[in-house]
Amino acid sequence: NAGVMQNPRHLVRRRGQEARLRCSPMKGHSHVYWYRQLPEEGLKFMVYLQKENIIDESGMPKERFSAEFPKEGPSILRIQQVVRGDSAAYFCASSVQPTGTDTQYFGPGTRLTVL
Amino acid sequence: EDQVTQSPEALRLQEGESSSLNCSYTVSGLRGLFWYRQDPGKGPEFLFTLYSAGEEKEKERLKATLTKKESFLHITAPKPEDSATYLCAVPGGANNLFFGTGTRLTVIP
Repeated sequence: NAGVMQNPRHLVRRRGQEARLRCSPMKGHSHVYWYRQLPEEGLKFMVYLQKENIIDESGMPKERFSAEFPKEGPSILRIQQVVRGDSAAYFCASSVQPTGTDTQYFGPGTRLTVL
Repeated sequence: EDQVTQSPEALRLQEGESSSLNCSYTVSGLRGLFWYRQDPGKGPEFLFTLYSAGEEKEKERLKATLTKKESFLHITAPKPEDSATYLCAVPGGANNLFFGTGTRLTVIP
C-alpha cells in the first residue's frame, strides 16, 4: 500500500512565477491536509480538503494561495506570483477519518525554492 | 489559545545513554496527542497516538506516556539511527494538527 505521494520533490521558481504542488493521498483516504514548514520553524496548518470541497482554509494566506481536491486526480496546492518568502517545505497529509479521531500520514514533501 | 511546547530544543546523547523528551500542552478537551519522527529532508513519520492520561505505548526503544499536562517520549539505550527530530502534535481546532517545534536528537556512536 503506497504512502502519501507528493511531486515534485523539489521545485525552483523565479519571483512572479506560479508553483503547483501535487499530492496523492494514501489509498482509501479521503481527507487531505496541507502544511508548510519554514526553516527552523514548526509545521503550520494551511488547508483541509475532502473530495471536491475545501473544509477549512483558515491557515492559508488570503492572496496568491489556493487549493483543490478534485473528484479525480491529486490534490493541488497552487501558489501564484511566488515571492522569496514562499520558500519552504510543503507537506501533504491524509487520513481515513477527520483529525481528532484518526491519524494523519505525511508525504515526503515538496521543497520550494524561490529565486 | 492552544499551545504545544517541546523541550529540550536539542539533545545530544552517547549511544546507550537513555533520556526523555518532553511535550507540554494546553488545549481545551484533549482529543489525542501524536508523536512523529522527522529525518532531514523527509516528511514526518507517525510513531504514536495517546488519548488519555496514564496511557503508554512502546515501539522498539521508544516509549510514549501521557499525563493531563504533558507527554514524554522515553528513549532507552538509543542508537545512532534514532537521531532525528521528534515532533509532538495535538488536534488544533476541528481539522488540523498543531505541532510543537520539535526536539532535535543526535545520538553519538
